[in-house]
Amino acid sequence: AQKITQTQPGMFVQEKEAVTLDCTYDTSDQSYGLFWYKQPSSGEMIFLIYQGSYDEQNATEGRYSLNFQKARKSANLVISASQLGDSAMYFCAMRESPYNTDKLIFGTGTRLQVFP
Amino acid sequence: SAVISQKPSRDICQRGTSLTIQCQVDSQVTMMFWYRQQPGQSLTLIATANQGSEATYESGFVIDKFPISRPNLTFSTLTVSNMSPEDSSIYLCSVETGISYEQYFGPGTRLTVT
Repeated sequence: AQKITQTQPGMFVQEKEAVTLDCTYDTSDQSYGLFWYKQPSSGEMIFLIYQGSYDEQNATEGRYSLNFQKARKSANLVISASQLGDSAMYFCAMRESPYNTDKLIFGTGTRLQVFP
Repeated sequence: SAVISQKPSRDICQRGTSLTIQCQVDSQVTMMFWYRQQPGQSLTLIATANQGSEATYESGFVIDKFPISRPNLTFSTLTVSNMSPEDSSIYLCSVETGISYEQYFGPGTRLTVT
């Protein structure tokens, strides 16, 4: 069965510093997709970044990058130059197929707090 | 991308009553998903709704408790029936557009059952 593990319940980072949020996954499938979402206190889920299992390069979206280590089954999110508005819950998720029409399995989340 | 709206945004309901949550998308989508997020917890899929067919429920969720309608490609409803305080959660609608890998979420409905 698929599983997503986020071992950091909470993280602190100073403004303008970089921070890494850990995510490991477990699947027997060769084809899968990995996602990161941000959830502010308002409750909405904001898509940040995606990595397909066959993508050779690490995904990047602005200040977000995904450190994908396939052999170690890890997909860590790196946020560069943290901003106060980055304070939120962050969820790692996996979909069995990198394509659509399948559900997402979510980790337990990491609460990131950015301080001045 | 897809713009998703949900109604209501929040509600406080008494136990034993039912609440219907609406999800509207600004474009036609094949798959719609309903997730639940209990307080302090992660998201759990309730069911997958395809237009023109019965919803597919995940283990632990049943149609009598969470009936779902999907009358067209841009709209779905989730009803939380015979509510108890344990149903207090954020309920989120999600869609995949069939164009990209991205899965988008609505703003959520924050439900409190007293």
